[in-house]
Amino acid sequence: GAGVSQTPSNKVTEKGKYVELRCDPISGHTALYWYRQSLGQGPEFLIYFQGTGAADDSGLPNDRFFAVRPEGSVSTLKIQRTERGDSAVYLCASSLSSSGSYEQFFGPGTRLTVL
Amino acid sequence: TQLLEQSPQFLSIQEGENLTVYCNSSSVFSSLQWYRQEPGEGPVLLVTVVTGGEVKKLKRLTFQFGDARKDSSLHITAAQPGDTGLYLCAEVGDTPLVFGKGTRLSVIA
Repeated sequence: GAGVSQTPSNKVTEKGKYVELRCDPISGHTALYWYRQSLGQGPEFLIYFQGTGAADDSGLPNDRFFAVRPEGSVSTLKIQRTERGDSAVYLCASSLSSSGSYEQFFGPGTRLTVL
Repeated sequence: TQLLEQSPQFLSIQEGENLTVYCNSSSVFSSLQWYRQEPGEGPVLLVTVVTGGEVKKLKRLTFQFGDARKDSSLHITAAQPGDTGLYLCAEVGDTPLVFGKGTRLSVIA
């Protein structure tokens, strides 16, 4: 069956450039989450959507990071003026609802490397 | 948000050995999940524990939730190379999961 997909799988960019990372959630899942996983760390929460609206963006590190989900399905994480410290695996997850009792299903991630 | 500590950070064992990894917190968990993450993949949920003292089994994996709900353990019996991966615990409460740093397990054939 179709799981959560993320594109691209790998992205190499230069410091200062703009990047977009895409997440396609499981069909019918209303909640969508973005996490960042640095080397040797567990995933860290960035932002989550319930439907089209960002319900909690408290994990975004600064205003260079922004995410949208205009139609309540696909989401795009946007990073402006990338820095070397942004290098990490960006994971997306979706669940039927944002209630904590619903399982979050993770995509394979996008590995971002900022040179 | 509480800090989850996982130990050991790394573990390398021979096929057939038993092992236990731990997840601890200074605060009470509402509930806890264990995940396994393989290279190039996202975490996959193994189990959710909710009740203090709870024990759950998944084939060769046994999960325990401490009576005070401040710690949990994962025990693997007769480890196999397919068990290799990063084992993460995560607090389930408010919607964003809070993960520990994980235990990286390597099972050598």
